[in-house]
Amino acid sequence: GAVVSQHPSRVICKSGTSVKIECRSLDFQATTMFWYRQFPKKSLMLMATSNEGSKATYEQGVEKDKFLINHASLTLSTLTVTSAHPEDSSFYICSAKREAFPYEQYFGPGTRLTVT
Amino acid sequence: QKEVEQNSGPLSVPEGAIASLNCTYSDRGSQSFFWYRQYSGKSPELIMFIYSNGDKEDGRFTAQLNKASQYVSLLIRDSQPSDSATYLCAVFGNQFYFGTGTSLTVIP
Repeated sequence: GAVVSQHPSRVICKSGTSVKIECRSLDFQATTMFWYRQFPKKSLMLMATSNEGSKATYEQGVEKDKFLINHASLTLSTLTVTSAHPEDSSFYICSAKREAFPYEQYFGPGTRLTVT
Repeated sequence: QKEVEQNSGPLSVPEGAIASLNCTYSDRGSQSFFWYRQYSGKSPELIMFIYSNGDKEDGRFTAQLNKASQYVSLLIRDSQPSDSATYLCAVFGNQFYFGTGTSLTVIP
């Protein structure tokens, strides 16, 4: 399968600071990437769809000014959590979607964010 | 009605048995169907996809698709303790929908 990397894998930050998470598609170009968050023992929750060269599409209830997404190239999308609060602590996972049928998604290994 | 429905389980099977995981979907225009495995604390890993009616086999895994019944399943033969995980069904029509996952435990 395809390889998607995420960096960092773990990050601890203080309340009020910003954290940037990078998602890279290593062996295919991805016009579309997705950002999810997952709380312990809960389902994946789609936060936003990241489109190369255009604005991200956010799911209902996700603050676009708090979770800034940039998809500057066909292999890189970034998620910046601004003014982080302890309730933002979660497992953030990105995925990249193949543009050819059957359009499968490949997930990055995830980033565990802890806000103190 | 959710776009993709799975029984949340937990499903327990003895080692060596067949585990059967089921998924139904609501959009008849769905084109491709995926099974992901997610271990606790890890991200989902794609294990199979299927897009034609019938069966598709890959090692111990068999995916089954019935578009008329809007039903997709995953069979795991000779289940191993290492198969213990949450299995996510995903469907793609004009966008992706994920089920909430079925927790599988294989008992040694």
